[in-house]
Amino acid sequence: AQKVTQAQTEISVVEKEDVTLDCVYETRDTTYYLFWYKQPPSGELVFLIRRNSFDEQNEISGRYSWNFQKSTSSFNFTITASQVVDSAVYFCALSEAYSSASKIIFGSGTRLSIRP
Amino acid sequence: DAMVIQNPRYQVTQFGKPVTLSCSQTLNHNVMYWYQQKSSQAPKLLFHYYDKDFNNEADTPDNFQSRRPNTSFCFLDIRSPGLGDAAMYLCATSGGKAPGDYQETQYFGPGTRLLVL
Repeated sequence: AQKVTQAQTEISVVEKEDVTLDCVYETRDTTYYLFWYKQPPSGELVFLIRRNSFDEQNEISGRYSWNFQKSTSSFNFTITASQVVDSAVYFCALSEAYSSASKIIFGSGTRLSIRP
Repeated sequence: DAMVIQNPRYQVTQFGKPVTLSCSQTLNHNVMYWYQQKSSQAPKLLFHYYDKDFNNEADTPDNFQSRRPNTSFCFLDIRSPGLGDAAMYLCATSGGKAPGDYQETQYFGPGTRLLVL
C-alpha cells in the first residue's frame, strides 16, 4: 500500500535559519510522482514541486531545494534563510502514475512556524 | 490567469439544511476533485470526475453528492449536514493537455470553509 510519512508534526525556527522538512514514502509502484504542497493560513493548497520516480536530480528554486533519494525512499524539502512568510503547513504527497486521474496520498503535514 | 475558483469562501448552514458548494476552473482540465479537510489533518478525497465519469471513494458518506454539468463547473452537495461535516472543502483539478502541463499534478482552489450550526 502507498503511504507518506512526515514524522515532524511541528517545527519552529527563528527567521533566517535553514530548515529541512522530512518526507518518507512507501510504494510498490516503479513509476510514481512525488509532490510538495504549501498550505498557508488562508487555506489554499499551493503546488510547489513535482518529481517523477525516474528523476533523482535534486532541484533548487530560489530559497527552496528538494533532495530526492530513492535508496532511502525520501523526498526532503529544505528552506534556506527562512522568512516569516514561509510559515505554513507543508504536505508531502505521492501519486501513482498512468492512472486516468491522479489519486494523491498526502502525508499528515508539518506545521512550520518562522519566528521574527 | 487560469485558476480554480471556489465560492463562497465561507459558508454557514444549519444542521440538516442542504448546502451546495461550487467550484469552477479556467484550466480546461478534464479531472476535478473534491476533498474534505478537517483541522490539523491532511485533505481527504471524497470523489472525483474524469470528464463526466463520477468516481466515489469507498468511505465517502452517502450524504455527500456531486454534479459536474460541464467541464468548467463542479458542485458538492451535502444533503443533510451534521456537525461533523464542518470542515474546509477543497476543489482541485488535473489533466492539463497543453505542452508543458503536468497532467498528474493537482491544482487546488482556495477552499470553502463550512460551518454547521
